[in-house]
Amino acid sequence: NAGVTQTPKFQVLKTGQSMTLQCAQDMNHEYMSWYRQDPGMGLRLIHYSVGAGITDQGEVPNGYNVSRSTTEDFPLRLLSAAPSQTSVYFCASSHSNIQYFGAGTRLSVL
Amino acid sequence: AQSVTQPDIHITVSEGASLELRCNYSYGATPYLFWYVQSPGQGLQLLLKYFSGDTLVQGIKGFEAEFKRSQSSFNLRKPSVHWSDAAEYFCAVGEVIQGAQKLVFGQGTRLTINP
Repeated sequence: NAGVTQTPKFQVLKTGQSMTLQCAQDMNHEYMSWYRQDPGMGLRLIHYSVGAGITDQGEVPNGYNVSRSTTEDFPLRLLSAAPSQTSVYFCASSHSNIQYFGAGTRLSVL
Repeated sequence: AQSVTQPDIHITVSEGASLELRCNYSYGATPYLFWYVQSPGQGLQLLLKYFSGDTLVQGIKGFEAEFKRSQSSFNLRKPSVHWSDAAEYFCAVGEVIQGAQKLVFGQGTRLTINP
């Protein structure tokens, strides 16, 4: 049982480049979310989804897009990366009000 | 709006000593409360949760936490720490809005264990 799988684990981008962080879960959870983790700030919610075709913004959505075409996948897109987006990104899926986290993607934007 | 405060950014204890990590929250109703642990370079693992009922909850790895409504606190405790407990610990409060559960995290407390 893989749980929540995030790829890649590490990524370095140049300012202005685009990329997609992948997140997949095999637990058939309806709710999925993306967080970013910055030193001294805990985790902050970027976007979330309550099911296929339904997404909404969290606390810090600017600069990020999401879509949810299937229950399993919830990719996070950076259309034009900025140094302020250097962070560790975590995807989570939820069932019965408990969130299960992936191992994270460490992103550096130069 | 919900908020979570972990007053201690960094705590150092000796192996075998007792541990208490503090967490205070701000929330209007009865909250869902969580403690997560993050080892270096790893994701977050759920230690324990409080939804309702008994205010003293037991978790994995010998941890427990007590919900005190009057103090808006949910402190994490362990009677005797092990070197493997060195990690960062996050307290979080959750609420469900229109079927969506949102978590608000504290800033985290980094725990160092002295041998």
